[in-house]
Amino acid sequence: AQRVTQPEKLLSVFKGAPVELKCNYSYSGSPELFWYVQYSRQRLQLLLRHISRESIKGFTADLNKGETSFHLKKPFAQEEDSAMYYCALKAETSYDKVIFGPGTSLSVIP
Amino acid sequence: DTAVSQTPKYLVTQMGNDKSIKCEQNLGHDTMYWYKQDSKKFLKIMFSYNNKELIINETVPNRFSPKSPDKAHLNLHINSLELGDSAVYFCASSTPSRASYGYTFGSGTRLTVV
Repeated sequence: AQRVTQPEKLLSVFKGAPVELKCNYSYSGSPELFWYVQYSRQRLQLLLRHISRESIKGFTADLNKGETSFHLKKPFAQEEDSAMYYCALKAETSYDKVIFGPGTSLSVIP
Repeated sequence: DTAVSQTPKYLVTQMGNDKSIKCEQNLGHDTMYWYKQDSKKFLKIMFSYNNKELIINETVPNRFSPKSPDKAHLNLHINSLELGDSAVYFCASSTPSRASYGYTFGSGTRLTVV
């Protein structure tokens, strides 16, 4: 069965410091991986997709199949990055079902 | 011109009542979902409909019944509400042919059962 883990429930960093939000998954096939962000009391928004290899708001994430990881990184954290971040996985065979990790709450300290 | 809209935004009700949450999307997506976000912010899928057909039905009490009158609408009816049903319920939509583009979520319905 597919599973997504995010080991850190809470992560606090100072403004300007690098940030890395960890995500590991378990799935035997070729998954599609995403990062979603939820700002305070707002809807979830798609932040990144691994297949697009894009950088959004300074964030990047690289899929490491050997380590089954998809960590989210940003070199210099900003206060507006404070939010809840969810890593999510879509299995190649499931009918569009996306499994979310438990989320990491990022707090950027000014 | 909100893409995925849910009503109501807030819902406070007493235990034992029956309530409905509505969701509509104007993106032309084929698939719609209900997710529950509990007090610990954990997101869990409840149901998914594709073109009015139920395709995902996770382990959810029978008190929860989704209904999709057409592919643009997915409603959630909850009977005999319990305290543990208090959560934020998110509707989302996607289209399988473009699943790699991820989901579009609604703004959520914060349900409080007292």
